[in-house]
Formats: sequence, structure tokens, C-alpha cells
Amino acid sequence: EVQLLESGGGLVQPGGSLRVSCVASGFTFSSYAMNWVRQAPGKGLEWVSVICGSDDRTDYAASVKGRFTISRDVSKNTLYLQMNSLRTDDAAVYYCVKGGTGTNLLFDYWGRGTLVTVSS
Amino acid sequence: EIVLTQSPATLSLSPGERATLSCRASQSVHSYLAWFQQKPGQAPRLLIYDASNRATGIPARFSGSGSGTDFTLTISSLEPEDFAVYYCQQRYNWPPVTFGGGTKVEIK
Repeated sequence: EVQLLESGGGLVQPGGSLRVSCVASGFTFSSYAMNWVRQAPGKGLEWVSVICGSDDRTDYAASVKGRFTISRDVSKNTLYLQMNSLRTDDAAVYYCVKGGTGTNLLFDYWGRGTLVTVSS
Repeated sequence: EIVLTQSPATLSLSPGERATLSCRASQSVHSYLAWFQQKPGQAPRLLIYDASNRATGIPARFSGSGSGTDFTLTISSLEPEDFAVYYCQQRYNWPPVTFGGGTKVEIK
């Protein structure tokens, strides 16, 4: 059974940094594209970043490029999102989302999310 | 960037009625379109992928159709648990992957 469990959310001041994590289980973690998708309070879904399966190629939404870094530790089956220079409009629930193998971005499993609040 | 426009924004229906939700893409996404359901306080759940394929465990009352730029999600007979927000998403041309703004199906 696929499981995704996010952690690391919390309150951070504008300009600050935070790292959120996602522990994955139930599939061969290194082979699959893993994503972060966020949802601001009362708003829709916004794709943030992907790390592709097998080659670990990464891509980002324009709104976070240069500030956020996605990575994974295969030995720990853990996905990370390092968020720097946080802004108030980065406040959202951040979901860890499993894609398909390689560069297939079929979002078939979602974690429950972790809440990031950016406020002074 | 491919923009997905969902309509209507809100659909007010009664249990047992048929729901028809629309998603229009700003350029062709071929059949690389998915539909998700989200209930309050929960993560989205994959319903339909590649325009017309039901995900594992999804009831047959949910169906998807379309290709190119125009897509439809149909719920043949609404059950009480189907009242939720529905999002479409394209994965044909990325980055970025894009989502529609959502359609809320509410109880009339």
C-alpha cells in the first residue's frame, strides 16, 4: 500500500527558511517522479516542483524557482522541499504527490499535507 | 503555460441528479487530462486519468470524456458523498503542470 507522510510545516517569518519532508512507502521510491503541490487557504491547487524518477531531474514553478529546492534521499525513502526567502503568498498546505515512473506526472497518490504559515 | 478553465464554478444539484463538469484547455493536451475530487480537510483524490480512465476503486458512476481542448466529467447519479470540489489537471506540457480553478458541487 502506497503511503506518503509529510512533516515539517509550521510558522515562519517572511524571509525565513523551512524544510518540509515526506516519507514514502509501498513502492520503489527512486523510480517514481515525486512532486510537491500546494494549496493556499480557500484556494485551488498549484504545482510547485518535481523530481523525476531514475535521473532525478528537477523542475519548478516560476513562482518558486530560485527559492525552493526539491531533493530526495533514497536510503531514507524521503522527499524534501527546502524553502528559502519565504513570502506571505507561500503560505499553504504542501502536499507530497507521487507520480508515475520517470517523467510521468500522473498524480496517483497524495499525502495528507503539511501546513506552512508565513507571518510576522 | 497551458491554462485550464473549469465551468461552472458552482453546481447546485440534488442527490440522484446527474452532474456534468467542464474543463477547457487553452491549447491541446491530447488525452493527458486528469480529474480529482477534494473534500473539506482532505487531500485530493485521483478519479479519472488520461481523460477517460477511472482510477483504482473509483465507482462506475464517474466517467470522463473528451480530448484535445474540451473535457467533461460526468457523475451519473449523485451520491451524498460526491458533494465536493473537483479539479482538472493537465500533464501534457510541463513545466508547469497546471490545474483548473475547480468546480464545487453543492447540495441544492
